[in-house]
Order: sequence, then C-alpha cells, then structure tokens
Amino acid sequence: SQTIHQWPATLVQPVGSPLSLECTVEGTSNPNLYWYRQAAGRGLQLLFYSVGIGQISSEVPQNLSASRPQDRQFILSSKKLLLSDSGFYLCAWSATPGTSLVDTQYFGPGTRLTVL
Amino acid sequence: AQKVTQAQTEISVVEKEDVTLDCVYETRDTTYYLFWYKQPPSGELVFLIRRNSFDEQNEISGRYSWNFQKSTSSFNFTITASQVVDSAVYFCALRVYNTDKLIFGTGTRLQVFP
Repeated sequence: SQTIHQWPATLVQPVGSPLSLECTVEGTSNPNLYWYRQAAGRGLQLLFYSVGIGQISSEVPQNLSASRPQDRQFILSSKKLLLSDSGFYLCAWSATPGTSLVDTQYFGPGTRLTVL
Repeated sequence: AQKVTQAQTEISVVEKEDVTLDCVYETRDTTYYLFWYKQPPSGELVFLIRRNSFDEQNEISGRYSWNFQKSTSSFNFTITASQVVDSAVYFCALRVYNTDKLIFGTGTRLQVFP
C-alpha cells in the first residue's frame, strides 16, 4: 500500500532563516506530488505541483520554492522566511493517469510551521 | 472558473444526532470529480469519498452518506447518529477532468458533544 511521509512534524523558525520541508511517498512510482498551505482557521491553498522529476508548477508567486530531486521526493524551500509563511503545510500525491487511483489526492500528516 | 462553497462555517450537535454538511460547487465543465475530506485535530486530511460527474447515485458507507444532485450543483454529506470522534473540519473539493488542481471549499467545523 502507499504511504506518504512528511518531516519535520513541527518547526519553529525565526524570520529570515531558511526552510526545507521534505515529503516522500512509498509504494508507488511516478506519482503527481503537491504542496498545500493552510493558514490558521482557513482553507487549503495549492502552492506547487509536480508531474515528474524536475518538473515544478507554481500556483502562487511567493517566498517559497519547490524541487523534486527524486521520483518520490518533494521538497519545499525558502531562502528567507517571512512571518506570513507560518501555517500548516501539507504534501499530497496522486497516481499518474492510467491507474485506478489517478483522480484522488492523498495527503500526508503535515508540517506545522511557526515563524517568529 | 471553478468554485466550491461550504456555507456552514461551524456546526455543533449532540451525540447521536444526524447532521448534514452542505457543499455547492460551480463549474462549466461537464466532466469533473467531487471529494470530501475529513481533517481531525491532528491535521492530516483523510480522504472520504470521490464522485464523478456521471454518477449521481447516492452512496452510503456505514453512518456516512452522500447526496449528489447535479440539478442543484450540490454534494451534501450526512452523518447519521453522530459520535464525538466525528468532530473535525470537513472539506468538500472539486477537480475538473484533465486538470491537476483541487479546488477546496473553506471547510465546515463539526463539533459533536457527548
């Protein structure tokens, strides 16, 4: 079965510091991968998605970037964090077209980021 | 443009009551998918159900049931005999065929009191 991992689970960082959040998926190959952010008490905002290694699409221009160095690894980064970057970051995967799971996104446990 | 509206921000019920969470969607596409996710206090989004636009058959899974009506662009979710463990934020979402983007509603926070 497929599983998705995110770390760290929680993170407290000062303004201006760098950020690296990691997401990995097991039990599937060539997944589509997504990064979402959920601000406190609000809905989910899609930040980036990737359909393959090195292929990144950005939904919202901002202080963050994403990379996919390996098939099942998705990294969210920032060179200098802002207060507004605080939130709950969720990674998700979906199967590539042609498989039965293609239409559904499955989410990881999330990383709660607080920028002080 | 696509949009999902969950007008109920918060609902409080007492255990064993039935509760319905509303979801109204907007899209001009004829092929699309609708989803419900549960977000318990731990934060992880748990997938509950997926429906495609060609399948209006209602579905029941244990105490959960879903009512999909294209005529009113609604995909409502009912929990029968609610339990404290049902307390969570519930999100409705829409994805148009051949796109990668999930459009989420703003969520409904359900509190079930003992």
